[in-house]
Formats: sequence, structure tokens, C-alpha cells
Amino acid sequence: EVQLVESGGGLVKPGSSLKLSCVASGFTFSGYGMHWIRQAPKKGLEWIALIYYDSSNKYYADSVKGRFTISRDNSKNSLYLEMNSLRSEDTAMYYCANAPDYGSLWYFDYWGQGVMVTVSS
Amino acid sequence: DIQMTQSPHSLSASLGETVSIECLTSEGISNYLAWYQQKPGKSPQLLINYISSLQDGVPSRFSGSGSGTQYSLKISNMQPEDEGVYYCQQGYKYPFTFGSGTNLEIK
Repeated sequence: EVQLVESGGGLVKPGSSLKLSCVASGFTFSGYGMHWIRQAPKKGLEWIALIYYDSSNKYYADSVKGRFTISRDNSKNSLYLEMNSLRSEDTAMYYCANAPDYGSLWYFDYWGQGVMVTVSS
Repeated sequence: DIQMTQSPHSLSASLGETVSIECLTSEGISNYLAWYQQKPGKSPQLLINYISSLQDGVPSRFSGSGSGTQYSLKISNMQPEDEGVYYCQQGYKYPFTFGSGTNLEIK
């Protein structure tokens, strides 16, 4: 059974940093691209980042480019999102999700339960 | 960015009814269209990819269709467990974008 478990969220002040983690199990993590997607309270879904299975390529939404960094450690079956210069508009539930295969990096197969990040003074 | 215009914003249906949700894209997206269902307090779940390919375990009363810039999700024989918010998503160009969602309720 595929499981994705996010952690690291919390309440932080504007301008601060936070690092989210996502631990994967139930599939060969090192063979799959991984995404971060977020959802502001009572709002829709926003894709924010993709990392290839081997970290060779990374893509970001303009809203987080230059502030957020996606990374992974295949030896630990773990995906990360380092978030800097946080703003109130970054307040959201953050989900990690896996791409189904190398040829289909564009959609999101399994999703974690999400982790909440609240940016407020 | 490719804009995804989803309609209606909300929908109320009776048990057994057939409903459709539409998704218009601001430019052609080839086959790169997926649909997700999100139940209250839960993560989204993938229903359909490549316009019409049903994920394993998704009931056959769900179907997807469309081409060019117009796509739709049809739910036949509405069931109580179909309540939730439905999102379309394009994967043709970065950044990947979602529709604003359709809230489907039982009448």
C-alpha cells in the first residue's frame, strides 16, 4: 500500500523559514517523480513544485520560485520542501504526491494526508 | 499560464441522477487532462487521467471526455459517496494548473 506522510508544518511568522518532509512507503520511491501541491483554507488546489526521480530536474510555480526549494533523499525515501521568506499567502495545507511513472510526470497519483502551514504575526 | 475554467461552481443532484462538470482550457492541452475528487477533510484522489482513462478502483459510472479546449466529467447514477469537490487539472505546460473546483452535493 502506497503511503505518503508529511510533517514539519506549523505556525510561523512572516519572513521566517520552514522545512516540510514527506516520507514515502509502499513503492520504489527512487523511481518516481514527486510533487508538492498546496491548498489555502477554503480554496482550490495549487501545484507548486516537481522533482524528477533522480533530482536531475526541478520545476516551480512562479508564486514560490526563488523562495522554495524541492529536494529528495532517495536513501531515506524522503521528499522535502524548504520554504524561505514565508508570506501570509503561503498559508495552506501542503500535500506531497507522486507521479505515476516517468512518462507521466504531469499528474498526481497518490497524495499524502497533508500538513498545515500557517504564516501569521 | 494555462487557465482552467470549471463550471458549475456548485451542483446539487438526486440519487440516481446523471451530472456533468465542464472544464474549459485557455489553450489546447493535447491529452493532458486529469480529474480529482476531494471529500471534506480529505486529500484529493485521482479519478481520471489522459481525459478518459479511469484509475483502478474508480466506479465505471465516472467517465471523462473532451478534446481541444473543452472537457467534461460525467457521473451517472449519482451515489451518496460521490459527494465532494471535483477538480480538473492540466499537465500540458508548466505550471500545472487546476480548475477552481465544483462542489457536488446530494439533493
